[in-house]
Amino acid sequence: DVKVTQSSRYLVKRTGEKVFLECVQDMDHENMFWYRQDPGLGLRLIYFSYDVKMKEKGDIPEGYSVSREKKERFSLILESASTNQTSMYLCASLPQGHGDEKLFFGSGTQLSVL
Amino acid sequence: GENVEQHPSTLSVQEGDSAVIKCTYSDSASNYFPWYKQELGKRPQLIIDIRSNVGEKKDQRIAVTLNKTAKHFSLHITETQPEDSAVYFCAASLWTGNTPLVFGKGTRLSVIA
Repeated sequence: DVKVTQSSRYLVKRTGEKVFLECVQDMDHENMFWYRQDPGLGLRLIYFSYDVKMKEKGDIPEGYSVSREKKERFSLILESASTNQTSMYLCASLPQGHGDEKLFFGSGTQLSVL
Repeated sequence: GENVEQHPSTLSVQEGDSAVIKCTYSDSASNYFPWYKQELGKRPQLIIDIRSNVGEKKDQRIAVTLNKTAKHFSLHITETQPEDSAVYFCAASLWTGNTPLVFGKGTRLSVIA
């Protein structure tokens, strides 16, 4: 079974702090994604990556950056956390080129910014 | 870019009844339409998907239909059970490896026993 692991289930940070959300997948998937989930707004794509050291902006990249130094790890960075970034963050991975387009999600990190 | 609208936002049905959730998409080039189910406190999981070369697909009690001309697709759940209670998300993409899924805002389905 594919495992997508997010380092923290719950996180509480202060406004202005730099926050790192970590995601690791164990199936050698090329593609990795960061989504933000808010009630009534669904899943919105923040950033994605198709390969090591490669990144693409999603629909709501403002206030975020990402890092993919190794294939299995995709980090989401909040440079200066703000209260409007309080949300559930979901990481996902996907193999490339196998005709299988099933996204594998992590269990999520509920971030509260106070 | 792609935009996906999903209706209704909430849906309550009696156990044993059918439930239908509808989505529309904007990009006529989109060719892949999955549905994800998210139970309370859990991660979203793929339950069924359809590609643009097929009009309907079934898997036991769930089915998805696609109307490419009208750019809409629907999820049908028959003989609903309490364990079907969850949030359901539709999505669309032109999946070439460079165009990620765009999700609808979700439908909270409650099946009342």
